[in-house]
Amino acid sequence: QKEVEQDPGPLSVPEGAIVSLNCTYSNSAFQYFMWYRQYSRKGPELLMYTYSSGNKEDGRFTAQVDKSSKYISLFIRDSQPSDSATYLCAEGTNAGKSTFGDGTTLTVKP
Amino acid sequence: NAGVTQTPKFRILKIGQSMTLQCAQDMNHNYMYWYRQDPGMGLKLIYYSVGAGITDKGEVPNGYNVSRSTTEDFPLRLELAAPSQTSVYFCASSRQGDSPLHFGNGTRLTVT
Repeated sequence: QKEVEQDPGPLSVPEGAIVSLNCTYSNSAFQYFMWYRQYSRKGPELLMYTYSSGNKEDGRFTAQVDKSSKYISLFIRDSQPSDSATYLCAEGTNAGKSTFGDGTTLTVKP
Repeated sequence: NAGVTQTPKFRILKIGQSMTLQCAQDMNHNYMYWYRQDPGMGLKLIYYSVGAGITDKGEVPNGYNVSRSTTEDFPLRLELAAPSQTSVYFCASSRQGDSPLHFGNGTRLTVT
């Protein structure tokens, strides 16, 4: 069993839709949670970083962590064509080794 | 701000050849990492370093070697390249172990 399982996608939505991206994890030692966005032929860039259960909001993006269920989500409101990318969840411990999901490719159609 | 710089961007190797992928960061980060990403897959950790002179294996270290003689540089060495090493290689750095990772734009390697 993989330590991090990510909804595989691909996902295609119309512009303006609300997008939900989801991951589950099995390792109780994970202490912090991240979402990265990766455009084609580029390196991943950090979108959200959180230590706590609950919601963290940044503009149109909301990260949700439920440590009791080992479930994390990223919500994108008012999605735009520029949001079209692959989204990677990642979980880590203080030892400095992050574990990544396989990514979900999102296409937002104008 | 340069951030994390990787060279080369692309490379084609023949089976059995060797090469070094270069990575440099200018953020004075303690931790540095090498990941590989195969098509449609997430990132798998090859090696990482918590500071100059200290390196450790990740999930998929076989066929690779690293060194960390300075805080800024973390080269990845491929010896006796094999087709299974065809991948995109990403270098990353972080200030501490629980800090977010900053990635370079990758090196696309093909072994034929």
